[in-house]
Amino acid sequence: EAGVAQSPRYKIIEKRQSVAFWCNPISGHATLYWYQQILGQGPKLLIQFQNNGVVDDSQLPKDRFSAERLKGVDSTLKIQPAKLEDSAVYLCASSLGTPGTDTQYFGPGTRLTVL
Amino acid sequence: GESVGLHLPTLSVQEGDNSIINCAYSNSASDYFIWYKQESGKGPQFIIDIRSNMDKRQGQRVTVLLNKTVKHLSLQIAATQPGDSAVYFCAENYFSGGGADGLTFGKGTHLIIQP
Repeated sequence: EAGVAQSPRYKIIEKRQSVAFWCNPISGHATLYWYQQILGQGPKLLIQFQNNGVVDDSQLPKDRFSAERLKGVDSTLKIQPAKLEDSAVYLCASSLGTPGTDTQYFGPGTRLTVL
Repeated sequence: GESVGLHLPTLSVQEGDNSIINCAYSNSASDYFIWYKQESGKGPQFIIDIRSNMDKRQGQRVTVLLNKTVKHLSLQIAATQPGDSAVYFCAENYFSGGGADGLTFGKGTHLIIQP
């Protein structure tokens, strides 16, 4: 079974530029999550989708971050404009879709460096 | 907000010895706990999970213990191998019924295996 796919793996941009990350979850997984992992810390949830609907975006900085999952499969996370403190690894995870019971499987992440 | 924490940032053990990684959580309402392993440059990898109605669960070479009285979680790795070198995160989940089940992670413990 193929795992969660993410691209690009690395991205370097200057502050105030825009950037987008892509995630393809495990086939058949209805729930998709985006996490931010700052160096030396554990991942922090940004947003959770159930199919193409947002379940939880309470920790998403909505003034600069946006995410979508239009067809309920792939998802993109965008930052516009980026700040220095956005430098982190952005992890995508997916689960089958039964809230509170299913294991979340993570992709390899996209390492973002903002200069 | 409440978060899961870990007692030690680094744990060094001899190859072949048993390892014990500890975690303290603060949300007494959390009902699902997971241990993840994260190697350098990779996303978190699921190791083992446990629900709040259990106090012990065993996998292959790993055991998770849950003490709800003192809100403590531990991961035991038997006969530690070089491939066990990684950062280990505990994560908790409290499912309130609204569909949101994003994980709350601690900061991680870096397990170093000495030859």
